[in-house]
Amino acid sequence: AQRVTQPEKLLSVFKGAPVELKCNYSYSGSPELFWYVQYSRQRLQLLLRHISRESIKGFTADLNKGETSFHLKKPFAQEEDSAMYYCALSGRNTGKLIFGQGTTLQVKP
Amino acid sequence: SQTIHQWPATLVQPVGSPLSLECTVEGTSNPNLYWYRQAAGRGLQLLFYSVGIGQISSEVPQNLSASRPQDRQFILSSKKLLLSDSGFYLCAWSELTANTEAFFGQGTRLTVV
Repeated sequence: AQRVTQPEKLLSVFKGAPVELKCNYSYSGSPELFWYVQYSRQRLQLLLRHISRESIKGFTADLNKGETSFHLKKPFAQEEDSAMYYCALSGRNTGKLIFGQGTTLQVKP
Repeated sequence: SQTIHQWPATLVQPVGSPLSLECTVEGTSNPNLYWYRQAAGRGLQLLFYSVGIGQISSEVPQNLSASRPQDRQFILSSKKLLLSDSGFYLCAWSELTANTEAFFGQGTRLTVV
């Protein structure tokens, strides 16, 4: 069964501290992995996707197929990073896009 | 450019009343369409998705149904609302090709009283 698990509901860090938001997945095949972010009073939007291997707003995520993980990392958190973060999975040849439970990141000054 | 419209933004309905939430996409054709419910503690739960007109996949058994009467129109319905149907509903679309970004509507806050 397809499943995305984000074990932390809330992650609270101080400004300048490193951040790691955990995401584990279950999928029989080759999934596409994404991170979405929802800032306060804004629409849910794509942050980054694994296939692009890009860094967006200082965030990176590496797909680890052995551990079935796609953790989101940033070396130095900023207050503007405070938001809800969702990890998501899509099958390569399907239209189905499923999300994890979400993690609220709170960056304190 | 592509846009997604979802309405209404808020809705208060009595238990047992019907529901119809509408979502339309502009600027693209044959998109994947999705309905999600966003609930505290349960995250973003996929309710329905559609890869074409009349092709609806239901992910969670429930009191809701979805229809896609036109290529870029996706409707979430219920014949009789339950209190447990209260929540925040999001419509989204993506291109048919793999690994593409999904774009979300503004959401509908439904309160069943």
